Amino acid sequence: IAGITQAPTSQILAAGRRMTLRCTQDMRHNAMYWYRQDLGLGLRLIHYSNTAGTTGKGEVPDGYSVSRANTDDFPLTLASAVPSQTSVYFCASSGEGSGHNEQFFGPGTRLTVL
Amino acid sequence: GQNIDQPTEMTATEGAIVQINCTYQTSGFNGLFWYQQHAGEAPTFLSYNVLDGLEEKGRFSSFLSRSKGYSYLLLKELQMKDSASYLCAVKDSNYQLIWGAGTKLIIKP
Repeated sequence: IAGITQAPTSQILAAGRRMTLRCTQDMRHNAMYWYRQDLGLGLRLIHYSNTAGTTGKGEVPDGYSVSRANTDDFPLTLASAVPSQTSVYFCASSGEGSGHNEQFFGPGTRLTVL
Repeated sequence: GQNIDQPTEMTATEGAIVQINCTYQTSGFNGLFWYQQHAGEAPTFLSYNVLDGLEEKGRFSSFLSRSKGYSYLLLKELQMKDSASYLCAVKDSNYQLIWGAGTKLIIKP
């Protein structure tokens, strides 16, 4: 693994189904983030984690949950998917929870909810 | 509320110079970032400004004026590979990034 990986690359999901998007980083970064990116809008923060064992809500957390059992993994779960959750999801990490360290992004997961 | 404004789309000619502006209103300021995002790919870091002035990195430069809530990204000697979206983001008082919608830059030969 080099950097951040996400899985799956893309997924078509029926509404009402449960789905977990996976994110793994090997840079030993403390902070990790989940964003969604929709056409015409900026990246919007869903949830974040400043360090293993802690999580926080971002701008658009409803319908999503996360966990951070260890430094490397930060899965995002949609408990019961709805069509408005159709989006491209990016996971990111940074070396510090505060400060100026840039965020590094995974390749993204394109999710379609029908 | 918090707001980041940048033009939706710009067009420039190969070999020329282009300036992409970004204005922001945020709760607190802990730095401004520029990212590049090619279509279908992840954003990648370009530059960071926390003090007023110009930061130069090869063909790319970024300027910040905190008093005016304003930044620009300057791209010189444009190449076709510079066709991408350029995202402006500000780190707010909670150290979270607030993102603009991005500027799609189209380079014509």
